Amino acid sequence: DGGITQSPKYLFRKEGQNVTLSCEQNLNHDAMYWYRQDPGQGLRLIYYSQIVNDFQKGDIAEGYSVSREKKESFPLTVTSAQKNPTAFYLCASKNSGFHQPQHFGDGTRLSIL
Amino acid sequence: KNQVEQSPQSLIILEGKNCTLQCNYTVSPFSNLRWYKQDTGRGPVSLTIMTFSENTKSNGRYTATLDADTKQSSLHITASQLSDSASYICVVTSQGGSEKLVFGKGTKLTVNP
Repeated sequence: DGGITQSPKYLFRKEGQNVTLSCEQNLNHDAMYWYRQDPGQGLRLIYYSQIVNDFQKGDIAEGYSVSREKKESFPLTVTSAQKNPTAFYLCASKNSGFHQPQHFGDGTRLSIL
Repeated sequence: KNQVEQSPQSLIILEGKNCTLQCNYTVSPFSNLRWYKQDTGRGPVSLTIMTFSENTKSNGRYTATLDADTKQSSLHITASQLSDSASYICVVTSQGGSEKLVFGKGTKLTVNP
């Protein structure tokens, strides 16, 4: 089955620690995205990548970093500089062309220890 | 400022009843409007997409409408089922120099037996 796999489902971060969230897709999509979802708020874009080895900052990139070394993979690192990392993180991918939907993974919930 | 406003914030209905969710937007230039369903702890899944020239589109018991003049959309759910309990997110795509998605905060629907 084609889809997007995010891991782990739950993640805990200690003070001063960097953590990496995994996102893998087998849909052969060029574009991939990372969003943050907080209670009562709309999804906010952290980073996106339209093609391998290229990525762009979204609206709330501070304290986060990404890489796109392979088409299938777009990991997100939450660094210690992100002072309020507790949130639900969603990864998405999209086929090129007009009116194509973003396909989402089932998210990673990050909490602070 | 590009914004998407959804109402109501939350809604409780009895199984078998109908309901209508609202979405108002101020996104420009408009490309399309999409409704997503997000089950608790899962990623959003696309239900319907509306482009500028479309007024109504159905997907099973879900019917979306779009009034591009007033910049309003609605999602009507007929004969609700317990499995309809979820958050429904309205997303408007702006197509300027690059594609930009603007997310609403969602309507949380609870269907009770």
